[in-house]
Parts: sequence; structure tokens; C-alpha cells
Amino acid sequence: QVQLVESGGGVVQPGRSLRLSCATSGFTFSSFGMHWVRQAPGKGLEWVAVISYDGNNKYYADSLKGRFTISRDDSKKTVYLQMNSVTAEDTAVYYCAKDREWRSYYYYRGMDVWGQGTPVIVS
Amino acid sequence: QSMLTQTPSVSGALGQRVTISCTGSSSDIGAGYVVQWYQQLPGAAPKLLIYGNDRRPSGVPDRFSGSKSGTAASLAITGVQAEDEADYYCQSFDMSLSGSVIFGGGTKLTVL
Repeated sequence: QVQLVESGGGVVQPGRSLRLSCATSGFTFSSFGMHWVRQAPGKGLEWVAVISYDGNNKYYADSLKGRFTISRDDSKKTVYLQMNSVTAEDTAVYYCAKDREWRSYYYYRGMDVWGQGTPVIVS
Repeated sequence: QSMLTQTPSVSGALGQRVTISCTGSSSDIGAGYVVQWYQQLPGAAPKLLIYGNDRRPSGVPDRFSGSKSGTAASLAITGVQAEDEADYYCQSFDMSLSGSVIFGGGTKLTVL
């Protein structure tokens, strides 16, 4: 079955960097875009970034101000989120999610599989 | 970052019909972008419930339905069950931002 497993979260000091990973299995990774979505404690969902199936297109939430970078390694079926200059406002559970559409650039049409999330605490 | 507007909480008795609304603007839902709905059970990851405004992924019970009109969308649950108690989020796309996916603030459904 399709599985997404995030890792790399933990406690990090303000101003430092952290890299999250999302290992996938059960589907043709190279044919789907991948997202990161976060959820601050007691708050709603906030979209963070997306990378297209071919890695050519990357989009980010404006609020991140260029501090985060999404990337993918198709040989490892893994997507990454590099987080730089973190602040307390970045404290959240970070989910990776698979785009619903096969080989599509219309990344806003839904995320059909989600990982269990990895917590990031900036303190 | 802009956000779609959802009522923070809604409640319904077991077996009743409940609707959850999601209001956008002319730059997102009103511009023709499709709406998705996600269910998040307590302590769990979100789950896709509705995509493309009104389509259900396989495995989602048919008591869940979605609709869209103008700048708003709705999720209806007919015959609400105790296991439906969860947070529900709508999601779309905002063309006024640089390629931004947007979510609603979420609605907490309480089953009485």
C-alpha cells in the first residue's frame, strides 16, 4: 500500500537549520508531485510547498520568505524540506502529502495520501 | 497568506444532516478553482474526503457529499455518525498569490 514516512523533526534553536525527509513506497514516486503541509499546535493546516513530479517546478507559501527549500531524490523515492533561519512561528507538525494527479502540474487539485507527520519545535 | 473562511464549529445529532461551509473570493473559488475537503480525526493526519468539488475517493462513504456555487463550497454529511466527529478543512488555490494552495481555517464537528 501507499506509505509516506516523515523523519528529521525535533527540537531546534531559533536561527538554526533543519532538514525533514519523507520516504515513500507503494506508488511510482517519479510520477507524482509532493507537498509539505504544516500544522501549528491547536491550529489549522497551512500549505508550505510543492515540487512537481519532474522536479522542474517548485512553489512555496509567501509567508516563508524564501527560508525553506523543497527537493526530491527519485532514486531514493524521498522528498525533502530544508528549513533555514527557523523561528518560533515554524513550530508545528510537518506532513508530507502525495499529489492526487499523475504527471500533472495542477498541484492544487488535492493531496490523496498523507504521512503521519514529524514534529518540529523551535526553542 | 489568505485563507478560506469556515465556521469554527458545528454540531448535529446522530443521524441528522450537517453542512459545513467554505467561503472564498473571486481570486480562488470564484475564479473556478476546484475545492477539496479533508477530514482530520483527533490525533491523526488529514484524509482526503472530497476532490474536484464533488467527487469522492474510493472508500469514502456516500453520506459525504460536496458542492460549489459562486465563491463558496459546502460539505454535507447525511446521517452523521459518531465516528464523523472530527475537524474538516476545505482547500483550493489562490491565483492572487504566487502559486499558493490555500486551506480554510477548519470546522470542528461535534456529534451530539
